[in-house]
Amino acid sequence: IAGITQAPTSQILAAGRRMTLRCTQDMRHNAMYWYRQDLGLGLRLIHYSNTAGTTGKGEVPDGYSVSRANTDDFPLTLASAVPSQTSVYFCASSPRDGGEQFFGPGTRLTVL
Amino acid sequence: GQNIDQPTEMTATEGAIVQINCTYQTSGFNGLFWYQQHAGEAPTFLSYNVLDGLEEKGRFSSFLSRSKGYSYLLLKELQMKDSASYLCAVMDSNYQLIWGAGTKLIIKP
Repeated sequence: IAGITQAPTSQILAAGRRMTLRCTQDMRHNAMYWYRQDLGLGLRLIHYSNTAGTTGKGEVPDGYSVSRANTDDFPLTLASAVPSQTSVYFCASSPRDGGEQFFGPGTRLTVL
Repeated sequence: GQNIDQPTEMTATEGAIVQINCTYQTSGFNGLFWYQQHAGEAPTFLSYNVLDGLEEKGRFSSFLSRSKGYSYLLLKELQMKDSASYLCAVMDSNYQLIWGAGTKLIIKP
């Protein structure tokens, strides 16, 4: 792989179900981010990680959790999905905190 | 609160020049980014300004005035492939990016 990959590409999910969105990068970037993008709104930060083993909350963290067990992987989990979590989710990475961010292709999630 | 403002939509003609403005109010400033996003795709980096002035990169230039909380992205010799959304983002004092809603640029032949 080269860059950042996300899986799945798209998903339709029943409300109340648990879902993990996967994100993997092979650039050895320290910082990783999860955003959601909704029509008419800017990208909003959900959670971030400045380095493996550490995570932090962004602007809209409620209902989401993350982990950063190693440098490459940064999964995002929805413990109990709700319709308001219908969105396009982007994972991004940066070689350093505050640097240019590189984005994955996104996951389109629909919660019914 | 933190706020990034940019026009929702702009239309321009192929071969022409267009300027997309961005104004911001944020808690701290550690640079301003412009990204391009084609429909259904991920954002891709265009430019970064941290000091006042103009940064030129091929057909694209970006300008910053920190005292005015203002930036613009200038696109010259427009091509049909430039039809996309252009996202302005400011890095705040916590080194987090605050994003504008994006400007959809429509290029007409």
